[in-house]
Amino acid sequence: DQQVKQNSPSLSVQEGRISILNCDYTNSMFDYFLWYKKYPAEGPTFLISISSIKDKNEDGRFTVFLNKSAKHLSLHIVPSQPGDSAVYFCAASPNNAGNMLTFGGGTRLMVKP
Amino acid sequence: SQTIHQWPATLVQPVGSPLSLECTVEGTSNPNLYWYRQAAGRGLQLLFYSIGIDQISSEVPQNLSASRPQDRQFILSSKKLLLSDSGFYLCATEQDNEKLFFGSGTQLSVL
Repeated sequence: DQQVKQNSPSLSVQEGRISILNCDYTNSMFDYFLWYKKYPAEGPTFLISISSIKDKNEDGRFTVFLNKSAKHLSLHIVPSQPGDSAVYFCAASPNNAGNMLTFGGGTRLMVKP
Repeated sequence: SQTIHQWPATLVQPVGSPLSLECTVEGTSNPNLYWYRQAAGRGLQLLFYSIGIDQISSEVPQNLSASRPQDRQFILSSKKLLLSDSGFYLCATEQDNEKLFFGSGTQLSVL
């Protein structure tokens, strides 16, 4: 039973365009959400997070949107760059902190020059 | 700042052999520590977490065990590896109580 789902295993985007990565969750107890970026043979690195009291959080080219009623969040990258090519994981936590994370299956983003 | 040391980076082991993966953390005291696994084509699954020495919680039934003999040392073990134990193993600790900080991982191949 996957509580956090990323339904698109891969996404290909042209450099300079917007990348939109989606994530759905089922557990209504989740109240803190994070996105991680992972390169091959490396550990994931934290990208951006959002608390359930907000519906948007922005950090440079990265923006995360949260729709609590739909139990859906998305990560927007604008403009996309070739260096953004990686696997992106969304994660959720039930205790308003970035621990005890449940991860989605990941989406591989490929940004073409 | 925190640093996580994981070794080895890659490991190839035969089925039925034992396993010991070590993780040490620097730059923090009394950290909460985690072992995650990424199986091929799948997401990150929490295996174990520890809030202190000799305090281990297991999240999923499995062929693996964890131990924490020292404050900043977390060990993942198995007595007899299975093919299904193959995967990318990640040690993590909490950072600023806001997020998990991961080590560089160990790629384990069981043949």
